[in-house]
Amino acid sequence: RKEVEQDPGPFNVPEGATVAFNCTYSNSASQSFFWYRQDCRKEPKLLMSVYSSGNEDGRFTAQLNRASQYISLLIRDSKLSDSATYLCVVNIITGANNLFFGTGTRLTVIP
Amino acid sequence: DAEITQSPRHKITETGRQVTLACHQTWNHNNMFWYRQDLGHGLRLIHYSYGVHDTNKGEVSDGYSVSRSNTEDLPLTLESAASSQTSVYFCASSETIPGQATGELFFGEGSRLTVL
Repeated sequence: RKEVEQDPGPFNVPEGATVAFNCTYSNSASQSFFWYRQDCRKEPKLLMSVYSSGNEDGRFTAQLNRASQYISLLIRDSKLSDSATYLCVVNIITGANNLFFGTGTRLTVIP
Repeated sequence: DAEITQSPRHKITETGRQVTLACHQTWNHNNMFWYRQDLGHGLRLIHYSYGVHDTNKGEVSDGYSVSRSNTEDLPLTLESAASSQTSVYFCASSETIPGQATGELFFGEGSRLTVL
């Protein structure tokens, strides 16, 4: 079983829509959680960290559900520029060498 | 501005040849990593280093080696390239932040390797 699982999509949504991605992780000892964004043929870049209480950054909201072992990313008022692949990342134990990446969920925002 | 660069960006080689991918960062980060990215798989860790002269095997280290002779560079060597090593390779670096599980990973632009 993979450490981190994501729905690969693609998600095709119109501009202005709200879209949500979920990601499940298998190790209950996981400590840190992140969403990275990867544009086509580009490198991943940190979008946001995910905190236990949930956190918001503009149109983006990340939430963690430890009991069900999933994290989510909500994007409100989608923009064309949000089109990308969103990678769920989980840190099993302390240390950057223990980061596990999901395969990514592809989002296309349509005019 | 600080950055992390990889070279070459694209490489085609033949089975059995030795290949070295370069990674250079000017962030002065202690931590450096090599990942490969393949369709259907997330980024998978090949090797990593927490400082000069420190190297460690990751999840998919067979057939790869690294060396860390200074803070800025972590070259990745494929001793004898195989077709299964056709992939996109990403180098990354991060700083160690006391009290936090891990710092943000900063990735290079990637090196696309094709082994024929």
